Amino acid sequence: GAGVSQSPSNKVTEKGKDVELRCDPISGHTALYWYRQSLGQGLEFLIYFQGNSAPDKSGLPSDRFSAERTGGSVSTLTIQRTQQEDSAVYLCASSPTGWGYTFGSGTRLTVV
Amino acid sequence: GQQLNQSPQSMFIQEGEDVSMNCTSSSIFNTWLWYKQEPGEGPVLLIALYKAGELTSNGRLTAQFGITRKDSFLNISASIPSDVGIYFCAGQVRKTSYDKVIFGPGTSLSVIP
Repeated sequence: GAGVSQSPSNKVTEKGKDVELRCDPISGHTALYWYRQSLGQGLEFLIYFQGNSAPDKSGLPSDRFSAERTGGSVSTLTIQRTQQEDSAVYLCASSPTGWGYTFGSGTRLTVV
Repeated sequence: GQQLNQSPQSMFIQEGEDVSMNCTSSSIFNTWLWYKQEPGEGPVLLIALYKAGELTSNGRLTAQFGITRKDSFLNISASIPSDVGIYFCAGQVRKTSYDKVIFGPGTSLSVIP
C-alpha cells in the first residue's frame, strides 16, 4: 500500500486477555520495527525485523511480548496476559534499508 | 544504555515567534534525525543529519548536527499554528547489520494564534 497500515487503530481489552496487533508495511520495505509510546513519553524500541535475518528482540519488555513477520511482509505483535502497564500506543515503522522510517498511525491499546 | 535528552520538555509560544529546541546525549551517533508527531498520527521525518557540523534546512526548519556528535538542535522560524505537535530527536547508531534508532522523549510545542 501507499503507507504503513496498522490495525486495529484502537483496542480496549480486559486485564489478563491476549491481544494481537497487526502491521502492514509499505510494499517492498525489508525492514520493520515496532515501538511503544506511553502517554507523554518518547518511543521505546521493541523489536526489529530485516529480511530473513534473525529479529532483534532486545527491546521486548517481558516474555509476554512476542512478534512475528510472515513472508517478510505483515507483522503481528502479540501481548499475552495483558497488564494495565501495557496500555500505550504501539507504532510500527518500515523502511527499505534499515533507516529512513515511515511510521504507521499506531494502535492505541487500553487495558482495563 | 544509550539515552537522549530533549529540552525544553514543552513550549508555549505566540504565532510568529521563533522556536529552538535541543537534544543531547552522552553517546556518539552516526546520524541525527528530527521527527514531528501530530495527535493520533505516527511520527513524520522532518530533517536528517549525516555529518558532524552539518547544518540543514527544510523550509522554516533548520537543524544542526553537533561537532561532538552528541547533540543536535532544531530551530523553527516564524511559527504558525500547524507547527503544533511533539518534536522528537533521534540518534542512529550502526549495529552489526542495521542502523538502530534511539528516540528522545520529545518536546511538545503549542502555538498560540
